[in-house]
Amino acid sequence: GENVEQHPSTLSVQEGDSAVIKCTYSDSASNYFPWYKQELGKRPQLIIDIRSNVGEKKDQRIAVTLNKTAKHFSLHITETQPEDSAVYFCAAKSQGGSEKLVFGKGTKLTVNP
Amino acid sequence: DVKVTQSSRYLVKRTGEKVFLECVQDMDHENMFWYRQDPGLGLRLIYFSYDVKMKEKGDIPEGYSVSREKKERFSLILESASTNQTSMYLCASADGAVGEQYFGPGTRLTVT
Repeated sequence: GENVEQHPSTLSVQEGDSAVIKCTYSDSASNYFPWYKQELGKRPQLIIDIRSNVGEKKDQRIAVTLNKTAKHFSLHITETQPEDSAVYFCAAKSQGGSEKLVFGKGTKLTVNP
Repeated sequence: DVKVTQSSRYLVKRTGEKVFLECVQDMDHENMFWYRQDPGLGLRLIYFSYDVKMKEKGDIPEGYSVSREKKERFSLILESASTNQTSMYLCASADGAVGEQYFGPGTRLTVT
C-alpha cells in the first residue's frame, strides 16, 4: 500500500523567512496530494492540494510542487508570519478504488517573531 | 459551510468498558473516516465508510469496530477499551468526487 514520508518533523524559522516541507510517496498510482494545517487545539484543515496532472499550484503565500518522476511533493510558505505556526500534514491518495488518504507524520512549524 | 460534529470533546472511560464515539456530517458526503492522532505518529486511519452499511478497514482497525446505519452518521466502537487506546480521535467526511476531507473537532479519550 501507499507510504508517505514527511520531513522535517520540526522546523523553526524567523518571521519573514521561507519554509519548505517535503514529502515522498511510494505508490506511483497516487494522483491527489493535499496539505492540511492543524493549529494547536484545532482540527486539521485543507490549505492547498495538487493533482497529478499539474506540476505546481500557488495560493498567495503558499505553493505546492509535485515531481511525479521522483515521487515527491513539497509545500512552500513564503514571508512566514507567526500565525503560520502549526502542524502541517501532507497526504496522498491513490487513483481509483479506495478513497482513503495516507498521511505523513506531520511537521511542526514554529515562526519566531 | 460543511459541519462535522463529534459527540464529545473529552471522554474518560475505564478499562474494559464499551465506548461509542459518534460523528455527524451535514453535507450528504458519501465517505466518512475515523482517525486516531498520537504525537509523532500523525493521523492513522482506523476505518472508513464509502456508503451506508459499507465499511473498510484502515491501517489500525484492531480493537475497533464501526457502524454506519445512516448516511450522515458514522460511529466508532471500542468493544473493550484498553489504556493503549487513550488518544485523540478525529472523524472526517468527504465528497468522493472532490477529495477534500472535512474534520470534526476531535474527541480526546482517556482510558484509565
